[in-house]
Amino acid sequence: QVQLVESGGGVVQPGRSLRLSCAASGFTFSSYAMHWVRQAPGKGLKWVAIIWHDGSNKFYADSVKGRFTISRDNSKNTLYLQMNSLRAEDTAVYFCARDLDYLPNDIWGQGTLVTVSS
Amino acid sequence: QSALTQPASVSGSPGQSVTISCTGTSNDIGGHNYVSWFQQHPGKAPKLMIYAVSNRPSGVSNRFSASKSGNTASLTISGLQAEDEADYYCSSYTSSNTLDVVFGGGTKLTVL
Repeated sequence: QVQLVESGGGVVQPGRSLRLSCAASGFTFSSYAMHWVRQAPGKGLKWVAIIWHDGSNKFYADSVKGRFTISRDNSKNTLYLQMNSLRAEDTAVYFCARDLDYLPNDIWGQGTLVTVSS
Repeated sequence: QSALTQPASVSGSPGQSVTISCTGTSNDIGGHNYVSWFQQHPGKAPKLMIYAVSNRPSGVSNRFSASKSGNTASLTISGLQAEDEADYYCSSYTSSNTLDVVFGGGTKLTVL
């Protein structure tokens, strides 16, 4: 079935790095742009980044620009989020989501929790 | 990257209708016809309820409808049911000189 499965979350110290993965199945991954969206504990949804279907364009929220990098490997049907210089305020559940018309659409992963704490 | 503005909470009794507003600017909601609405139950991933302002994905109840006027989008839930109790988020994007996706702050719907 059509699904996205995130992995790579965990507890990390401030200033360190972490890479999240999002494995896609059940659809032609290489045909879709993809998003990362995060949600801090008890808070609302916040968009993080988008990457075009072929990786040719990437856009980021101001809060992560210069620290996070979105990428993809279409041969592995996998989306990535490289997170560097992590801060306490990056603590959140991170979701990957399929795109439609530049917005997260109908397919979301279950989320992976990233906790930044010393 | 200002968030879209939603009421923090709304409530209604079973069978009633409620409307949730989502106010943006001419750079996002008012600038095109791409507004989505999501429902999120605690501990779950968001579920798409509406896309492109007023379109329902397959499988979403026709009790959910949406529209847009100017810089404000609205989601209406009719015939409220207990399972509708959840958080609701609107989303749109700006594309002035870069692409920026914005969400509303979320609205907690309580079914009384």
